[in-house]
Amino acid sequence: DGGITQSPKYLFRKEGQNVTLSCEQNLNHDAMYWYRQDPGQGLRLIYYSQIVNDFQKGDIAEGYSVSREKKESFPLTVTSAQKNPTAFYLCASSIQPGQGKTEAFFGQGTRLTVV
Amino acid sequence: DAKTTQPNSMESNEEEPVHLPCNHSTISGTDYIHWYRQLPSQGPEYVIHGLTSNVNNRMASLAIAEDRKSSTLILHRATLRDAAVYYCIPIGGTSYGKLTFGQGTILTVHP
Repeated sequence: DGGITQSPKYLFRKEGQNVTLSCEQNLNHDAMYWYRQDPGQGLRLIYYSQIVNDFQKGDIAEGYSVSREKKESFPLTVTSAQKNPTAFYLCASSIQPGQGKTEAFFGQGTRLTVV
Repeated sequence: DAKTTQPNSMESNEEEPVHLPCNHSTISGTDYIHWYRQLPSQGPEYVIHGLTSNVNNRMASLAIAEDRKSSTLILHRATLRDAAVYYCIPIGGTSYGKLTFGQGTILTVHP
């Protein structure tokens, strides 16, 4: 079935370690997004990509990095520079960025806990 | 980005209709109005979207004001499964490729 896969569902890391979250889509979508969600809060945009080999910072990009080498993949690295990395991370994709004619699809999220 | 205003929370009884409002007074003429909902501990899911005309699908109806500065998501018969956070998002000319969420409305459905 077509969709977005985030893995793993739960991830534990020690403080000071970088960690990479996976996001894969087989929907042939051009645009992909990463969000962070803290308990009781809304989704905040970390990075987004409108096309392969191009991406832009969102509202809270500090301490994070991304790459978009393939259309179907948009991994997010949470670096040791991120002061409060424990959160729920969500990935999304849409056919064309900012077009609005079609809907976005979301993965089921990765819950990262840094101890 | 077009700004949105939604009530922080709303309550409904099961099998009653629910009208969830959203103000988007800075929306541009090319922005579509999207609604998504997020169940606890899950990723958001698409509900409905529209440009100017009212829209219906199997999940809900979307009523868009004539001036497009506000819209209302209508759940015709709320069920316990509809308890979620509902987000209204203008997407199009003012979003420049971004998909930005506001705080949304927490909908509580009572049995």
